[in-house]
Amino acid sequence: AQSVSQHNHHVILSEAASLELGCNYSYGGTVNLFWYVQYPGQHLQLLLKYFSGDPLVKGIKGFEAEFIKSKFSFNLRKPSVQWSDTAEYFCAVNAMATSGTYKYIFGTGTRLKVLA
Amino acid sequence: GAVVSQHPSRVICKSGTSVKIECRSLDFQATTMFWYRQFPKQSLMLMATSNEGSKATYEQGVEKDKFLINHASLTLSTLTVTSAHPEDSSFYICSARKSTSGLTDTQYFGPGTRLTVL
Repeated sequence: AQSVSQHNHHVILSEAASLELGCNYSYGGTVNLFWYVQYPGQHLQLLLKYFSGDPLVKGIKGFEAEFIKSKFSFNLRKPSVQWSDTAEYFCAVNAMATSGTYKYIFGTGTRLKVLA
Repeated sequence: GAVVSQHPSRVICKSGTSVKIECRSLDFQATTMFWYRQFPKQSLMLMATSNEGSKATYEQGVEKDKFLINHASLTLSTLTVTSAHPEDSSFYICSARKSTSGLTDTQYFGPGTRLTVL
């Protein structure tokens, strides 16, 4: 079955620390990969996405992610986090459904808390 | 950017009543819209996919007669929770996409609707 796993459920960092959030997926077909962020009380916002080409993808707010096909991974990174990065982060795979269209499969999310 | 709105943002209702939630794409035409349910401290679970002008496709385990979805126009989809019960209390989120196939299209999410059934 198609699935997305995020290994870190809760992460607490101090400001300026480096961040890496893991995301692994289980899907054999062509995949498109996404990271979304949900700030407290706000809706999901797209951080970055990978469709094809350079496996190192740069997104907004200094985030980047690397697609490693052999490891079925799409880890999110940021060299230096800020207090404002406190949020919940979701990894998602766009996979083909039985209906023939594509749908997102979300990971369980990682709650990041950055201490000022 | 692409903006998706939901209305209402919060709703409290009595058990047995029906609740309608609207999802609108404000600055683009959405041929496909999705409805998700998010439980506390959990991920988003896809409930159904709807394409404009056709019947919604429900995920396994989702009761189509309980969660009625209508995608009447390219900018509006509605989710009606019929005969709501306390276990239906949850956070419902919609998203919209510009194409029907969707391999390379991004979903844009609404702010969600908090439903509380007493």
